[in-house]
Formats: sequence, structure tokens, C-alpha cells
Amino acid sequence: GAVVSQHPSWVICKSGTSVKIECRSLDFQATTMFWYRQFPKQSLMLMATSNEGSKATYEQGVEKDKFLINHASLTLSTLTVTSAHPEDSSFYICSARSHKGREQYFGPGTRLTVT
Amino acid sequence: AQRVTQPEKLLSVFKGAPVELKCNYSYSGSPELFWYVQYSRQRLQLLLRHISRESIKGFTADLNKGETSFHLKKPFAQEEDSAMYYCALIGGTSYGKLTFGQGTILTVHP
Repeated sequence: GAVVSQHPSWVICKSGTSVKIECRSLDFQATTMFWYRQFPKQSLMLMATSNEGSKATYEQGVEKDKFLINHASLTLSTLTVTSAHPEDSSFYICSARSHKGREQYFGPGTRLTVT
Repeated sequence: AQRVTQPEKLLSVFKGAPVELKCNYSYSGSPELFWYVQYSRQRLQLLLRHISRESIKGFTADLNKGETSFHLKKPFAQEEDSAMYYCALIGGTSYGKLTFGQGTILTVHP
């Protein structure tokens, strides 16, 4: 149980375009989802916290207009990287927390490459 | 502010040797502490949490509030333990947000 999926697993896009990443909780309802960014062999950096039905809360230094987060249902959150640039290339990971506890379950991550 | 420090970026041991991955934290209240593991090309997964006081895959970790530490230990390391290990903390008022340490890459040599 407690499986989180992400789609796509990897994506290549051209500079200036937008790309959407989906995060789904497959067998539980996630009241809260978190979006992280991870650089090679480095720690996870929290970008934003997403609560179902409300606006996401962004961490300091994260541009909310560039990284649009939507949490429209209890099983789906999306991250849209708008007007992507090469410096946005990274590994994006989501996690989901059920309403039953504080443990977070992580998705497999999405590798974004902006050319 | 809450902070997690893992002083060792890399740690190498031989199979069968004891291993200890260090984690220190700073938080004014009573935090929840976790250890997560990320094997090569796999997702991050929970290894253990301090409130459950359980042993997973032979690993244990004890919360030492006096030293504000939550070191991860295993008496006999195995090659399959090679992975990236993250210590993480949830503060009482952080709305469930995990604060991660920098991570320690453990390599167990045969």
C-alpha cells in the first residue's frame, strides 16, 4: 500500500515551453502533497506544499508564477514548469501524506531536461 | 528554525563491519525524526522513525535529546546497504514538512 506515482518519468522540452508533471497517490487519499527538487547526489529541497482544494504554499525563493501547483483532488497534484529554461533542468520529486498520519510516501521522481 | 546536519557526505566500510551514520538536529520543540534511504535508481523510502523504535533491515536509531542526535547504526553492514541515507525532521509547527539533512552516501565494500 501507499504507492505514489509520477508521470512522466522523464521529459525533454525546449527552452521557453511549459511542461506538466503529475503526482498521484494510487491507493490512499492524500490531503497534502509536497514537491521537491533534487540535484545530483544532493539533498531534496522542498519547493512547495500543496493541500487539496487550496492554494499551494511556496518555500522562500521559489517562484510561484514559474512553478504552478494544482491539487485538484485527493489523489492528484500537478506541477507545471512554465517558460522552462535550462537552469530548471533537475529531478523533481513529489511526496504524499494521507489524512491518517504524518508519514510521507515518495514518488519515483521526474527527470526534466530543458534544451 | 529547524535544521538537520549530516556531517559525513561519504562513508565507506567493509562488509561485516559496524556502521554509524551521524545525524544532528536543531529544533526548539519535540521533533519527529526519520531516516530515509534511496537505493540506486529507486525512490526515496522510509527506513525508520524514532517514535516506532523499530529495527528495519538491522538498522536502529536512538533519539538522544541531550545531544540532539539521531544516529543510524547497524552492527554488521552488508553490500546491499550501499545507498544514500537521509536524516529528516518534522517540527511540531511545520505542518508536516520534512526538513532533510544533506545525505550520506554509504558504500559497503565486499
